[in-house]
Amino acid sequence: EAEVAQSPRYKITEKSQAVAFWCDPISGHATLYWYRQILGQGPELLVQFQDESVVDDSQLPKDRFSAERLKGVDSTLKIQPAELGDSAMYLCASSRDRATQETQYFGPGTRLLVL
Amino acid sequence: QKEVEQDPGPLSVPEGAIVSLNCTYSNSAFQYFMWYRQYSRKGPELLMYTYSSGNKEDGRFTAQVDKSSKYISLFIRDSQPSDSATYLCAMNTGNQFYFGTGTSLTVIP
Repeated sequence: EAEVAQSPRYKITEKSQAVAFWCDPISGHATLYWYRQILGQGPELLVQFQDESVVDDSQLPKDRFSAERLKGVDSTLKIQPAELGDSAMYLCASSRDRATQETQYFGPGTRLLVL
Repeated sequence: QKEVEQDPGPLSVPEGAIVSLNCTYSNSAFQYFMWYRQYSRKGPELLMYTYSSGNKEDGRFTAQVDKSSKYISLFIRDSQPSDSATYLCAMNTGNQFYFGTGTSLTVIP
């Protein structure tokens, strides 16, 4: 069964450092999502891509976060500089497209700890 | 008011019990309803997906949607210790997903 791949699984960094997370969606999935999940809460959408284009980044803190999906396949989420409050699980998800009858499938996540 | 409300629990039940998990919502534009299971330190796993009012059954799991009351439920029959996890409800307008905060469930052997 196809899965969403993410790396690294865990990342510990010091505040003010740069961190990057990678996601490879299920093959053929045009829509890719990055979420942040704080312990005890539901996922919060950071950015949504349709192919290589950003379709929603309204909740992305653009002063420190950036995301790209240059070839419309895999994607990278970057934080620079990291802050203590960025400690969370970062989840990537994909769906076949934005059509109404599709749902999304999540990767295992990257757990970030900022010291 | 949040788009999706979900009681965080925690909920603790004995093995074999029937579990009922619930979410309410306020947006009539929601068309698609999902339940995810999330084990500790893992990504959410899709359990059930439905787009209409009524019931949908899959093994020990039944998803129920009542659009008139804006209320969805997940029932787990014959609960097992392996069902211990956080259960997230999610809804989709067709363009955007909204998640509940999750209900933590523990099934005691």
